[in-house]
Amino acid sequence: NAGVTQTPKFQVLKTGQSMTLQCAQDMNHEYMSWYRQDPGMGLRLIHYSVGAGITDQGEVPNGYNVSRSTTEDFPLRLLSAAPSQTSVYFCASSSNGRSYNEQFFGPGTRLTVL
Amino acid sequence: KNEVEQSPQNLTAQEGEFITINCSYSVGISALHWLQQHPGGGIVSLFMLSSGKKKHGRLIATINIQEKHSSLHITASHPRDSAVYICAVAVYSGGSNYKLTFGKGTLLTVNP
Repeated sequence: NAGVTQTPKFQVLKTGQSMTLQCAQDMNHEYMSWYRQDPGMGLRLIHYSVGAGITDQGEVPNGYNVSRSTTEDFPLRLLSAAPSQTSVYFCASSSNGRSYNEQFFGPGTRLTVL
Repeated sequence: KNEVEQSPQNLTAQEGEFITINCSYSVGISALHWLQQHPGGGIVSLFMLSSGKKKHGRLIATINIQEKHSSLHITASHPRDSAVYICAVAVYSGGSNYKLTFGKGTLLTVNP
């Protein structure tokens, strides 16, 4: 199993550009989520999904869209990139949204917005 | 005030020392996770706790639900233990689902 994969690993955007960060998992997990990690702050939840066709907002959803058309994939779209979105983005999955399930994280995408 | 506070923020130790990292939280939780992140690397789950104590190799995690406190201990520390250790609490978010709220992490450096 590949686990949780993310592409790209690194990306540089100009302000106003749009892009999609890809996330896929091959563990048949119901629950997938996107976090951003900024210096001096804990990971913050952007959006999450409890199954195909179901998504919801997390703590910092503004400027991001998600969709979940399949169990495997959970892409994160930046609609119009801003310098404040410079961050490291992690996708994670777990078998379901229960509190006690092990979290599996992707390797991260380091995004710089100029 | 953050819902999850970790201490210390930074910790430097000599190889072989016993390490303790603390996590305090202010909300009701159903579970607490300890995670490890190596520099420039991904994040790996170490433990999930809802009560008591768990041990895996040289790592021990404890939780006191009444006191809203958890500790991660590393015995006989080694330079390869150098990493950021992150505490996260699972907070009920509706239905049968929970969201994780994370601490800022503790940067551990173990010198040979």
